[in-house]
Amino acid sequence: AQSVTQLDSHVSVSEGTPVLLRCNYSSSYSPSLFWYVQHPNKGLQLLLKYTSAATLVKGINGFEAEFKKSETSFHLTKPSAHMSDAAEYFCVVSDPKLIFGAGTRLAVHP
Amino acid sequence: AAGVIQSPRHLIKEKRETATLKCYPIPRHDTVYWYQQGPGQDPQFLISFYEKMQSDKGSIPDRFSAQQFSDYHSELNMSSLELGDSALYFCASSLGQGFQGTEAFFGQGTRLTVV
Repeated sequence: AQSVTQLDSHVSVSEGTPVLLRCNYSSSYSPSLFWYVQHPNKGLQLLLKYTSAATLVKGINGFEAEFKKSETSFHLTKPSAHMSDAAEYFCVVSDPKLIFGAGTRLAVHP
Repeated sequence: AAGVIQSPRHLIKEKRETATLKCYPIPRHDTVYWYQQGPGQDPQFLISFYEKMQSDKGSIPDRFSAQQFSDYHSELNMSSLELGDSALYFCASSLGQGFQGTEAFFGQGTRLTVV
């Protein structure tokens, strides 16, 4: 069975500093991986996806993620955090149904 | 662009009542997924349909049932509601049975409150 583990339940950064949200996956074959963002009382929005093409994936709002098979990781990064980035972020693997990680709550301070 | 439409957005029901949630996928999407997200929880997969047939089943209680209709919209029927059923219910749609290479698009969710 496939699964994802988000290593941090909460991450707090200052505005303008880099963001790193960590995700490790477990899969018996080459997975499809996604990052979704959920703002308070909102739906789930796809940030980016990895589907065995380029290992560095660029998404919306300046986010990107790198698929590292040797480390079974798919960490989400952004060079400079913005206040509007404060939200819950989910790392997701397809099974083919979507299996969600526990989520990481990102707080951005002025 | 058209997105996944869920109705109603909010629903308040009493214990032991029934509720029906509706999901209208993106046009031409043939796969629908239902998820339940409790307070502070990650979304949990309930059930999915591909071409009007159930394709996968997750942690869906026996009190719940769902189906996908000929126009590809889906309904989640919930009976004998319990307080613990209070949650945000998401529907997602995709083109094709699998997510391999195809992202799923989520609706805004239906917030069900059981009192």
